[in-house]
Amino acid sequence: AQTVTQSQPEMSVQEAETVTLSCTYDTSESNYYLFWYKQPPSRQMILVIRQEAYKQQNATENRFSVNFQKAAKSFSLKISDSQLGDTAMYFCAFMKPARKLIFGQGTELSVKP
Amino acid sequence: KAGVTQTPRYLIKTRGQQVTLSCSPISGHRSVSWYQQTPGQGLQFLFEYFSETQRNKGNFPGRFSGRQFSNSRSEMNVSTLELGDSALYLCASSLEPGETQYFGPGTRLLVL
Repeated sequence: AQTVTQSQPEMSVQEAETVTLSCTYDTSESNYYLFWYKQPPSRQMILVIRQEAYKQQNATENRFSVNFQKAAKSFSLKISDSQLGDTAMYFCAFMKPARKLIFGQGTELSVKP
Repeated sequence: KAGVTQTPRYLIKTRGQQVTLSCSPISGHRSVSWYQQTPGQGLQFLFEYFSETQRNKGNFPGRFSGRQFSNSRSEMNVSTLELGDSALYLCASSLEPGETQYFGPGTRLLVL
């Protein structure tokens, strides 16, 4: 069975600085997708970024980028120029094609002014 | 395009009652998945519907059920509510199974 591990329950960063959130996963599959979702205090789950395992190039969305290391089964999220609105719980998630999302336990990120 | 909508947003029930939650997917999305979120267990998959058929089911008791209508709207039902069913229930829609899932705001259920 696939598992997703986020080893940092809480992190904090100063506004405008860069922070990296870690995620590792376990799977025997070669074709899959990885996601980062954020859940602010409103509890709305918002997609941040998606990575297809067959793509070697790391996904980027504005200030958000990932470091995808397939052999190491690692999928970290880098947030550049952190903003107060980035304060949220961040979830790493794994999905085999046409299957369910499997989530990590989350990392609570606080951006401090 | 409107996002995923869920109704009601908040619900208070007592043990033994039953509850129905509703989810309307993004227009054009045909797959709907349901997740339960609790502080202790995190996010857990309940089930997925596509073309009015349940495609996947998580490890939940039979008290949890769902259905999907021809317009892709979905409902989930929980019968004989227990205190442990208190949770945030999240619905997500995607174009097809396996595509990126977009979440609704959730329904917060409190069982007293």
